[in-house]
Amino acid sequence: EVQLVESGGGLVQPGGSLRLSCVVSGFTFTSYSMNWVRQAPGKGLEWVSYISMSGATIYYADSVKGRFTISRDNARNSLHLQMNNLRVEDTAVYSCARGALAGIGYWGQGTLVTVSS
Amino acid sequence: DIVMTQTPLSSPVTLGQPASISCRSSQSLVHSDGNTYLSWLQQRPGQPPRLLFYKISNRFSGVPDRFSGSGAGTEFTLQINRVEAEDVGIYYCMQATQFPYTFGQGTKLEI
Repeated sequence: EVQLVESGGGLVQPGGSLRLSCVVSGFTFTSYSMNWVRQAPGKGLEWVSYISMSGATIYYADSVKGRFTISRDNARNSLHLQMNNLRVEDTAVYSCARGALAGIGYWGQGTLVTVSS
Repeated sequence: DIVMTQTPLSSPVTLGQPASISCRSSQSLVHSDGNTYLSWLQQRPGQPPRLLFYKISNRFSGVPDRFSGSGAGTEFTLQINRVEAEDVGIYYCMQATQFPYTFGQGTKLEI
């Protein structure tokens, strides 16, 4: 069974940092590109970042470029999102999600990040 | 960035009746490799999104055949032949032809 489990969310003040992690199981991690997607409370889906199978190709949404860093540890089947200089508008549930061109087919339950003073 | 526009944003439906959601992209979603990377996702209340279709009309694993996806270029449609109670939720189209990936605003299907 494919599983993606996020952790690392919480309450942080504006300007603060958090590091999200996603541990996967049930599939060959190195065979899939991965994404982070967020959903603000009561709002729609917003793609945040993409990383290729090897980690060599990375993309970010303009809204997070320069502040967020995506990475993966293929030896530990894990995906990470380092979030710096957080803003109130970054408040959302952050989900890791597997796939790209053939559709984002598997999603974690997400971890809530709240940015507030 | 490619803007994805869904209509309607809210769709009251009757059980057993058909439903249709449209998605329009601000530019063609045909990739240089000839494929069109348009997906449909369903999000039930309190659940993560679930992939329904990729590349317009390719049904993902476990998706009932009462759902169908169609379209080309910049105009796409998700259809449900006979709505069931479990279909309640928000439906999103998403393009993966070009970065940044973008989603439609979502269409709320309610009975």
